[in-house]
Amino acid sequence: DSGVTQTPKHLITATGQRVTLRCSPRSGDLSVYWYQQSLDQGLQFLIQYYNGEERAKGNILERFSAQQFPDLHSELNLSSLELGDSALYFCASTGLAGGTGELFFGEGSRLTVL
Amino acid sequence: AQSVAQPEDQVNVAEGNPLTVKCTYSVSGNPYLFWYVQYPNRGLQFLLKYITGDNLVKGSYGFEAEFNKSQTSFHLKKPSALVSDSALYFCAVRDPMEYGNKLVFGAGTILRVKS
Repeated sequence: DSGVTQTPKHLITATGQRVTLRCSPRSGDLSVYWYQQSLDQGLQFLIQYYNGEERAKGNILERFSAQQFPDLHSELNLSSLELGDSALYFCASTGLAGGTGELFFGEGSRLTVL
Repeated sequence: AQSVAQPEDQVNVAEGNPLTVKCTYSVSGNPYLFWYVQYPNRGLQFLLKYITGDNLVKGSYGFEAEFNKSQTSFHLKKPSALVSDSALYFCAVRDPMEYGNKLVFGAGTILRVKS
């Protein structure tokens, strides 16, 4: 158990809908990262938050947004869903400063868009 | 921008034989390098990392990796493979000069260990 909790584990929805994925980082970790894993794109970095502030942005679509709350949990919002958004979405956290720390990953949220 | 290449989609090895999963990287400065393993329907688990120091890094489950700066490689190795090592392996790199400290992952290599 990595200590990172993601909900829901599975989600099935229709095109055009909006969903919210939730992540609770390891206790004490200030950084949260979101990744998307799909068969054709592999593991893609979406966005990072540090102590409530956006720190880095990757290949995140404009239809997607995220935030980190004062209690450090994070949410990834996916809107106007398309079939191609079907993927496994991972949250990860780290607590070590200076970039030397490994990321601890949650079990992921599997999104299926029909 | 940093990048990682894992040239083999799949590696097959017999149980008890040594295994190597290859990784090469590209980064502007000195890299931070990581290996992760993913079992079916699970999250990624950290195996080992190279930050600085000894080029041979030892990690979990008997795995080790060798950092080679001249060849820009960070190959994952294990002296004796187990069937339970069968999984998807990811190499990742972080550029310490880049703001944000994100990890960039390779495409992954499927390791199949046959008994």
